[in-house]
Amino acid sequence: GAGVSQSPRYKVAKRGQDVALRCDPISGHVSLFWYQQALGQGPEFLTYFQNEAQLDKSGLPSDRFFAERPEGSVSTLKIQRTQQEDSAVYLCASSTRRMRGAFFGQGTRLTVV
Amino acid sequence: AQKITQTQPGMFVQEKEAVTLDCTYDTSDPSYGLFWYKQPSSGEMIFLIYQGSYDQQNATEGRYSLNFQKARKSANLVISASQLGDSAMYFCAMGIDRIGNEKLTFGTGTRLTIIP
Repeated sequence: GAGVSQSPRYKVAKRGQDVALRCDPISGHVSLFWYQQALGQGPEFLTYFQNEAQLDKSGLPSDRFFAERPEGSVSTLKIQRTQQEDSAVYLCASSTRRMRGAFFGQGTRLTVV
Repeated sequence: AQKITQTQPGMFVQEKEAVTLDCTYDTSDPSYGLFWYKQPSSGEMIFLIYQGSYDQQNATEGRYSLNFQKARKSANLVISASQLGDSAMYFCAMGIDRIGNEKLTFGTGTRLTIIP
């Protein structure tokens, strides 16, 4: 597709359940980002990949959060033992040139009940 | 650490009028970039405009322009001739221009509503 694609669009998880969120970046984009957006807030950085290398994971809130991009294209954000505070929209973005703006997907809205 | 401040939680503007959305920032890095994104109700973040810290002229993209005042550390977005489709959340963001540091820091956003 032409843009960044995220799936699923909506996910309801029971507390304690593991979830996996998928991101298909724009073809050829080297950089891939994950952001978390709580209700009424701006996105907050989680982690960044350049190709398959995870160069920055300083924003991951706990060791329950894990991200991978094994072949340098599709990425998966995994959250283990979900908790209510994990409820948020998870945005994926990709870019090809630094400092020229990343292209975002529509996000996955995660609700933990 | 970088910080972005957007002090207008919400704004109402008459259609066809110009609107200015405020953004101030704080950083000690000399090389940085400022971004504005639009987030409609569908949730996607749409890139609008970019201004580099060393750019001499204010950035413009169609009806969008960025009023960059470096000494005041402000980067306000100006939308001319507003349209109903401009109703959305608007986020100001900053990135540090340093290899390996690609992340953006976002403000809390301004909800713009265009009134017919």
